[in-house]
Amino acid sequence: AQSVSQHNHHVILSEAASLELGCNYSYGGTVNLFWYVQYPGQHLQLLLKYFSGDPLVKGIKGFEAEFIKSKFSFNLRKPSVQWSDTAEYFCAASNNAGNMLTFGGGTRLMVKP
Amino acid sequence: DAGVIQSPRHEVTEMGQEVTLRCKPISGHNSLFWYRQTMMRGLELLIYFNNNVPIDDSGMPEDRFSAKMPNASFSTLKIQPSEPRDSAVYFCASSSYSDEEETQYFGPGTRLLVL
Repeated sequence: AQSVSQHNHHVILSEAASLELGCNYSYGGTVNLFWYVQYPGQHLQLLLKYFSGDPLVKGIKGFEAEFIKSKFSFNLRKPSVQWSDTAEYFCAASNNAGNMLTFGGGTRLMVKP
Repeated sequence: DAGVIQSPRHEVTEMGQEVTLRCKPISGHNSLFWYRQTMMRGLELLIYFNNNVPIDDSGMPEDRFSAKMPNASFSTLKIQPSEPRDSAVYFCASSSYSDEEETQYFGPGTRLLVL
């Protein structure tokens, strides 16, 4: 069965700390990968996506993610977080057999000023 | 583009009442998705449409839930009768099925509280 796992449910960091949020997927065939962010009280917004090509993907607001096929992972990183990065982050996956997204459970990030 | 539009943004109703949530996808998008988000269950896909046709409704919780897409620019999600456990944020998302890189764009959501 297709699944996406985010093992960190809650992360607390101080400003300027580095961030890495884990995402692992279980998908057959070609996989497309996404990170969405949901700021408090708001809707999901796309941070970045990977379809093919360079496995290191750069997104908005200084975020990047690396697709490591051998590890079935697509971890999200940011070298220096800001208080405004406080949000919930969702990893998601789909494949070329259709455009249904499977979401991970989300990781709540709190950045202390 | 205005993005995905949902209405109402907030809905408070009493148990047993009918609730209708509305969604207008991004113009030109031909796939539409309804999700429900709760603290307990996270983000769940309820149903999705391609070219106005329901493709997968396996996520619809029970017969009290129904969704329609009468045309490319409008969809409804109806709950009848509503129950307190239906309280959640309901998101609509749309994408372009024909795009090689299909990305879903989300609306602002409808916060539903059933008393």
